[in-house]
Amino acid sequence: QKEVEQNSGPLSVPEGAIASLNCTYSDRGSQSFFWYRQYSGKSPELIMFIYSNGDKEDGRFTAQLNKASQYVSLLIRDSQPSDSATYLCAVSTGGFKTIFGAGTRLFVKA
Amino acid sequence: ETGVTQTPRHLVMGMTNKKSLKCEQHLGHNAMYWYKQSAKKPLELMFVYNFKEQTENNSVPSRFSPECPNSSHLFLHLHTLQPEDSALYLCASHGDGTGLYNEQFFGPGTRLTVL
Repeated sequence: QKEVEQNSGPLSVPEGAIASLNCTYSDRGSQSFFWYRQYSGKSPELIMFIYSNGDKEDGRFTAQLNKASQYVSLLIRDSQPSDSATYLCAVSTGGFKTIFGAGTRLFVKA
Repeated sequence: ETGVTQTPRHLVMGMTNKKSLKCEQHLGHNAMYWYKQSAKKPLELMFVYNFKEQTENNSVPSRFSPECPNSSHLFLHLHTLQPEDSALYLCASHGDGTGLYNEQFFGPGTRLTVL
């Protein structure tokens, strides 16, 4: 069983729509959850982190965490073509080890 | 320079060559990481150093040899690599590994091709 699982996509949404990206994880001891965005040929950059159950909003981005279901998601409202990238879900139990998912490719059509 | 830098950005080497990747962080962080990113696979953690001490070696083959002379510099020495080692090698850093927020800052990566 994969430790952090994401649908590889591509997920295609029209410009202005809501993009919903999902991630499940296997370690119930996980404490911190991250969403990184990676443009093609570039390195990952952090866009959101969350550690409490519920929603966390930052601009057009909302991260949602449900520890009971071991599920974390990222919603992107008013999607823009510039949001087209691969989104990596990452999970940490604390300390130095962070486990990354393989990423979901998002394509926003103009 | 700011952030995390890596050199070289691209490297092509034969299986008998010896080369080194360099990473430097200008963020005052204490922890540094090497990751391998292959196509359509998750980022694979290779090594972690905290205050120059190795805290994680994720069962990496001995043909990869890390070196961390200080908290700002990290090297990955390569020798007798295999074609399947071709990948993007990413360096990252963060504060000190304690606490809840292990946000990592990534360098631009070295694209390695082994012939």
